Amino acid sequence: GENVEQHPSTLSVQEGDSAVIKCTYSDSASNYFPWYKQELGKGPQLIIDIRSNVGEKKDQRIAVTLNKTAKHFSLHITETQPEDSAVYFCAAGGSYIPTFGRGTSLIVHP
Amino acid sequence: GAVVSQHPSWVICKSGTSVKIECRSLDFQATTMFWYRQFPKQSLMLMATSNEGSKATYEQGVEKDKFLINHASLTLSTLTVTSAHPEDSSFYICSAPPPGTFTYEQYFGPGTRLTVT
Repeated sequence: GENVEQHPSTLSVQEGDSAVIKCTYSDSASNYFPWYKQELGKGPQLIIDIRSNVGEKKDQRIAVTLNKTAKHFSLHITETQPEDSAVYFCAAGGSYIPTFGRGTSLIVHP
Repeated sequence: GAVVSQHPSWVICKSGTSVKIECRSLDFQATTMFWYRQFPKQSLMLMATSNEGSKATYEQGVEKDKFLINHASLTLSTLTVTSAHPEDSSFYICSAPPPGTFTYEQYFGPGTRLTVT
């Protein structure tokens, strides 16, 4: 089955800095890579996703890059704000239900 | 669009009792829903796939007799934790794929915090 590794487990940045979270996956058949933001006591919220036919996707301050050859993808958040503080999960899937990474706790200090 | 709700948001029950958690797709029909379990500071663990009008598919290691799933309509799936014990205390989250997408695209509910005393 698919195996997703996510790093770092904790990321602390100053407001206005950029944050990068990286994930690797094992199954070359995976072709759908969503990212979720989970605030304390709430369910995960899809913030951006990318499919294998593109290498990069942007949505305002958030971007995701995908390197299918190396089997890794990354979430980039620019100009971080305190409200970006949350746990972020990457996932990899295809014709099956996505497998989740272990999560990254992002802390943005004002 | 693609809003998934859960009820209750939190519940406390005594050991040995059963508790039912509801998952509803509010503005779309979902023939498939998914149930996850999440321990503190850990990732989401898929428990089962709920299929409307048929039996649920459970992941390996999940006791189907303990976690009863019913998907009786296109907008409602229920998870019943039977004879609950303290180790069943957890955050339970459901999800559903929005209409017109593949099953691997999911929108999550807000979760239900279960505490068994």
